[in-house]
Amino acid sequence: KNEVEQSPQNLTAQEGEFITINCSYSVGISALHWLQQHPGGGIVSLFMLSSGKKKHGRLIATINIQEKHSSLHITASHPRDSAVYICAVRYGGNQFYFGTGTSLTVIP
Amino acid sequence: DGGITQSPKYLFRKEGQNVTLSCEQNLNHDAMYWYRQDPGQGLRLIYYSQIVNDFQKGDIAEGYSVSREKKESFPLTVTSAQKNPTAFYLCASSIVWGEGPNFGDGTRLSIL
Repeated sequence: KNEVEQSPQNLTAQEGEFITINCSYSVGISALHWLQQHPGGGIVSLFMLSSGKKKHGRLIATINIQEKHSSLHITASHPRDSAVYICAVRYGGNQFYFGTGTSLTVIP
Repeated sequence: DGGITQSPKYLFRKEGQNVTLSCEQNLNHDAMYWYRQDPGQGLRLIYYSQIVNDFQKGDIAEGYSVSREKKESFPLTVTSAQKNPTAFYLCASSIVWGEGPNFGDGTRLSIL
């Protein structure tokens, strides 16, 4: 069964804290995406990974293919980072499977 | 600006009624998708289309129908056969099937 598990489900942090969100998947994938869903519901793509590490501003995403695990890190968190972060994986058949999301709240 | 437009943002359905959710994209993407989002669950694929005049069922197609008569448009009809239609519906598109999709802002459907 193709499964994507995220942890934690909910996360509350103080402004400035370093944040880590985790994603594990069950079988080999062709790509992994990190998505951000704002309170209004719209989703934007943050990263696409097939190996290694990517950085964009205060966001860093890593993937370990052997361990079937990816992490999304946010450095110096800010209230505007408050959103739901979703991990999505693409298997060989090209369909995406989505995690249930991590709801992040950053308190000033 | 290029993007995906979903309308309406909020929609209410009466029992036994069909409703249609609109999705338009001006990104010149071949592939389009409809996903359903429920609390505590990941997005689930309803239908997808890889090219104009072609579409395929996803994991939860029962009670839904789509058409793809134009490249830029992929409307979703929620029929009266869908017994639990209350959810958040997201339309997406990508250059080709399987590439990272761009998402619309979603339509929230509720039952009256």
